[in-house]
Amino acid sequence: AQSVTQLDSHVSVSEGTPVLLRCNYSSSYSPSLFWYVQHPNKGLQLLLKYTSAATLVKGINGFEAEFKKSETSFHLTKPSAHMSDAAEYFCVVSDRDNFNKFYFGSGTKLNVKP
Amino acid sequence: AAGVIQSPRHLIKEKRETATLKCYPIPRHDTVYWYQQGPGQDPQFLISFYEKMQSDKGSIPDRFSAQQFSDYHSELNMSSLELGDSALYFCASWGSNTEAFFGQGTRLTVV
Repeated sequence: AQSVTQLDSHVSVSEGTPVLLRCNYSSSYSPSLFWYVQHPNKGLQLLLKYTSAATLVKGINGFEAEFKKSETSFHLTKPSAHMSDAAEYFCVVSDRDNFNKFYFGSGTKLNVKP
Repeated sequence: AAGVIQSPRHLIKEKRETATLKCYPIPRHDTVYWYQQGPGQDPQFLISFYEKMQSDKGSIPDRFSAQQFSDYHSELNMSSLELGDSALYFCASWGSNTEAFFGQGTRLTVV
């Protein structure tokens, strides 16, 4: 069975400092992994995805994530936080044997301080 | 590029009323998912359709039903609404490019 654990429910950083949002997954085979961002009262927007190609994935807005199979992790990083990055971030794994059903992590709220 | 369209964007209903939420997937996407996101919660899977047939069922109450039509749009029908049904309902569509595209959601408020 698939599952996703986001280790931090809230992360607070200062503008211009690095961002690290942690995600660990459980999957019986090589998964497809995604990070989605949700701004207040908005829909879910895809930041980046891993689908068994390069393990370091670059996404939009300067975000990237590295797939580490040995650690079953897919942490999201950004070198320098911007105020507009304040949002909730969801790590998601999809089940390719189940019509690509998505399993969501519980979300991490990112706060960016001026 | 066309995105996933959900309507209405906002809906206010009274307890025990019914509601119908609509989802129009990206053209040529044959898979639709419905998720419910309560206040401060992560999205919970409700139900999915592939090629107009139900493909999976999650934590969808018996009071809810859904279907996918011949043009691939989907409708989520909710009856005997309860206060706890107040949530953001997302639809997502999936094609062959290995990612799901989410709609903006319908915010349902039950009063």
